[in-house]
Amino acid sequence: EDQVTQSPEALRLQEGESSSLNCSYTVSGLRGLFWYRQDPGKGPEFLFTLYSAGEEKEKERLKATLTKKESFLHITAPKPEDSATYLCAVRPVPYNTDKLIFGTGTRLQVFP
Amino acid sequence: NAGVTQTPKFRILKIGQSMTLQCTQDMNHNYMYWYRQDPGMGLKLIYYSVGAGITDKGEVPNGYNVSRSTTEDFPLRLELAAPSQTSVYFCASLKGSGTEAFFGQGTRLTVV
Repeated sequence: EDQVTQSPEALRLQEGESSSLNCSYTVSGLRGLFWYRQDPGKGPEFLFTLYSAGEEKEKERLKATLTKKESFLHITAPKPEDSATYLCAVRPVPYNTDKLIFGTGTRLQVFP
Repeated sequence: NAGVTQTPKFRILKIGQSMTLQCTQDMNHNYMYWYRQDPGMGLKLIYYSVGAGITDKGEVPNGYNVSRSTTEDFPLRLELAAPSQTSVYFCASLKGSGTEAFFGQGTRLTVV
């Protein structure tokens, strides 16, 4: 069964304290791994798509990486405005439905 | 572009009542999805559509129905509301295979 697991469930960081969020997945075939940011009371907002092992994407203080079994979202020198829930999702084969399977998210709090 | 628009934003229903959650997108996307998000449970797929006139069940379809008469609209119908349907509902769309999904702002539904 296709499955996505995110850890930790919650993470508290001091402003400037770098860390990483983990997303491990079990799928029969991967057609994309997606990272989203979700603020309270809002819908998920797209951050990155990764398609193959070894791929990396960067945006401001965020960097996403992908291996054959997991993905990491690295946060460098975070600021309080980075506080949000970060969701990981995979799109497994077959692709004709383009369904996304989501993890339960990591709730990040960054304190000044 | 407004993107994906959901209405209403909030609703309280009594047990046994029915309602329709509206979702419309102005990006000419073929694929549309309905998810529900419960605390600590991640997003679960209810129904999806790969084009006008085509719909299919996701992971948790019981108690819901959908239709897709146009490319733009994908309403979700709740018949005989139950407390277990208390949740936040998100509509999403994407253009085609392999692309990222765009989410609406959500509808918070409470069944009492």
